[in-house]
Amino acid sequence: GIQVEQSPPDLILQEGANSTLRCNFSDSVNNLQWFHQNPWGQLINLFYIPSGTKQNGRLSATTVATERYSLLYISSSQTTDSGVYFCAVGTGNQFYFGTGTSLTVIP
Amino acid sequence: KAGVTQTPRYLIKTRGQQVTLSCSPISGHRSVSWYQQTPGQGLQFLFEYFSETQRNKGNFPGRFSGRQFSNSRSEMNVSTLELGDSALYLCASSLRSYEQFFGPGTRLTVL
Repeated sequence: GIQVEQSPPDLILQEGANSTLRCNFSDSVNNLQWFHQNPWGQLINLFYIPSGTKQNGRLSATTVATERYSLLYISSSQTTDSGVYFCAVGTGNQFYFGTGTSLTVIP
Repeated sequence: KAGVTQTPRYLIKTRGQQVTLSCSPISGHRSVSWYQQTPGQGLQFLFEYFSETQRNKGNFPGRFSGRQFSNSRSEMNVSTLELGDSALYLCASSLRSYEQFFGPGTRLTVL
């Protein structure tokens, strides 16, 4: 299967700081999503971004499919941004998840 | 539009028992996928159904099975439960296997 590596594994930020999370994948994909897992376990959709750049408020994402990586940017972080961020990539009907980046935002 | 729903939310079973989990996709979505999340193995793909047909299966033993009904609702079954089956089981629905939307999960504890 496709290998997905996320970095960094852990990140601690002061409220208001910016951060960049990275997702590298080992093969060509036609689906890529970023999720935020809340403390109760639910995966919240952030971006569906197999290629290009998207922005949603303080969050933005860029995927360079030809170089097999995606970046998630969080600006002006807030304590509510804390949690685990997952990148998932897929070819059609099967997604492979990375091991996640655990983000802690301290006030 | 209602999201993906999963029942039950929490379940406690003992080794050797079997369990059935249910997932109702977003209205109009015909693809349902199941994932297992554990602290040691992370999020792993179990299987995917589309229009009542299993299209893909992950690397899990035959004790894990599923099915999809004509209304797109899906169930997964785990027989002869083992301690290692304790996990968060997540269901996702999608339109033609593109963007996936996850339910809240079922947390299974095997004692």
